[in-house]
Amino acid sequence: AQSVTQLDSQVPVFEEAPVELRCNYSSSVSVYLFWYVQYPNQGLQLLLKYLSGSTLVKGINGFEAEFNKSQTSFHLRKPSVHISDTAEYFCAVKPGFGAGSYQLTFGKGTKLSVIP
Amino acid sequence: EAGVTQFPSHSVIEKGQTVTLRCDPISGHDNLYWYRRVMGKEIKFLLHFVKESKQDESGMPNNRFLAERTGGTYSTLKVQPAELEDSGVYFCASSQDSVFSAKNIQYFGAGTRLSVL
Repeated sequence: AQSVTQLDSQVPVFEEAPVELRCNYSSSVSVYLFWYVQYPNQGLQLLLKYLSGSTLVKGINGFEAEFNKSQTSFHLRKPSVHISDTAEYFCAVKPGFGAGSYQLTFGKGTKLSVIP
Repeated sequence: EAGVTQFPSHSVIEKGQTVTLRCDPISGHDNLYWYRRVMGKEIKFLLHFVKESKQDESGMPNNRFLAERTGGTYSTLKVQPAELEDSGVYFCASSQDSVFSAKNIQYFGAGTRLSVL
C-alpha cells in the first residue's frame, strides 16, 4: 500500500516570492509521482509527473519538482509565484506495477494563497 | 477536445433520498475512475471501469453505492439511500493507455459536490 503526506495544509506567500510545497510518500514498490492543481471552481489539472529518468521534472506554469528516492520526497517548487497560482495542490502516487497500479493515492492537499 | 465532464456540479439532498451523479469521459478513453473527497480528508479511489466492465470496486464504501457504465461511454454513480457521511466531492477521471503503462495519465473532471442534510 502507498501513503502520501503533504506536510502543510496551508501556505501563504507573497507575490513574486519563491514557494516550496512539500510531499513525502511511503511505498513498498516503486511508484510514479504526480502533482495536480485545482483552481477555484475547476477540476483537477495535472501539473507535472515523474515517471522515470531525470529526477528534476518541469511542469506547466513554471513549476518544477524533484524526486528524491532516498528521502521519499517529491517537493514542488516555483521561484516566483503569481496571484493566479492561488489554488489547492495535491501530491499523488501510483504503483509502478502490480495490483492496483491504476489507483492514485493522494495527499490531503495544500492550499497555496498568494498575497498581493 | 472536451475534457471530463461531470454533472451536476452541486447537489443538495436530504438524508434517505437518492442521487445520481454522471460522468462523461474524454472521447476514446476506455478507462474511467471514480474518486471521492470527504471534507478535510484525502481524495480516495472508489472504482475503475475498463469500457463497460468494473475492474475494481474495492474502494466503494458500501452497497448503497452503485456505479454503472452503459456501453462503455458515460458512467453514473448512484447513492441510495444517501446518508450524512456521503457528503463530499465526487471526482471522475478517465485515461487512454493501458493501466500498466507509465503513460496512463488520469484526467479529472471538476467534480460533483454532494451535500446530504
